[in-house]
Amino acid sequence: AQSVTQPDARVTVSEGASLQLRCKYSYSGTPYLFWYVQYPRQGLQLLLKYYSGDPVVQGVNGFEAEFSKSNSSFHLRKASVHWSDSAVYFCALSRGSALGRLHFGAGTQLIVIP
Amino acid sequence: EAAVTQSPRSKVAVTGGKVTLSCHQTNNHDYMYWYRQDTGHGLRLIHYSYVADSTEKGDIPDGYKASRPSQENFSLILELASLSQTAVYFCASSADNYAEQFFGPGTRLTVL
Repeated sequence: AQSVTQPDARVTVSEGASLQLRCKYSYSGTPYLFWYVQYPRQGLQLLLKYYSGDPVVQGVNGFEAEFSKSNSSFHLRKASVHWSDSAVYFCALSRGSALGRLHFGAGTQLIVIP
Repeated sequence: EAAVTQSPRSKVAVTGGKVTLSCHQTNNHDYMYWYRQDTGHGLRLIHYSYVADSTEKGDIPDGYKASRPSQENFSLILELASLSQTAVYFCASSADNYAEQFFGPGTRLTVL
């Protein structure tokens, strides 16, 4: 079985501060990992993905994530957040071999205070 | 620009009634998916399809049917809507099982 845990339901940061959103996964094989963002009243948009290779992957709008097999983690980071980054962020896992079946975490709501 | 659209964007249904949610994609993608999102939870896969005229069960298919009459269209059908099916429903498409999924804006369904 596989699962994704996002331990922080809500994170509040000040504009310009750095950010880390945590994601832990459970899967015995090599996972395909994703971060999606959901802005209010919109669908999910892909921020970045990790399939293999360099454990640090770059995404859109200055986001990056680091894969750690030893820690079973895929944390999302940003050096300096903007108020427009306020949204819900979802971490997701695919086994790769299944037909595109993503398993999502519960999401972390990010609130950026101007 | 490639897009996934859903209709209706919101709907109020009565318990025991039939509800059909529609999804249309212009991405030319083979794979399409239906998810539900409950408050405070991530998305859960209901049904998916990788070719027209064929659908597969996801993780929570009970109480739902799906129909894929063409590559572009994928419907989710609630034959007998129940209170527990109140949720936001998202449709998505992807080129293949490893590719990024593109999501529609969602349909907010309220069953009374």
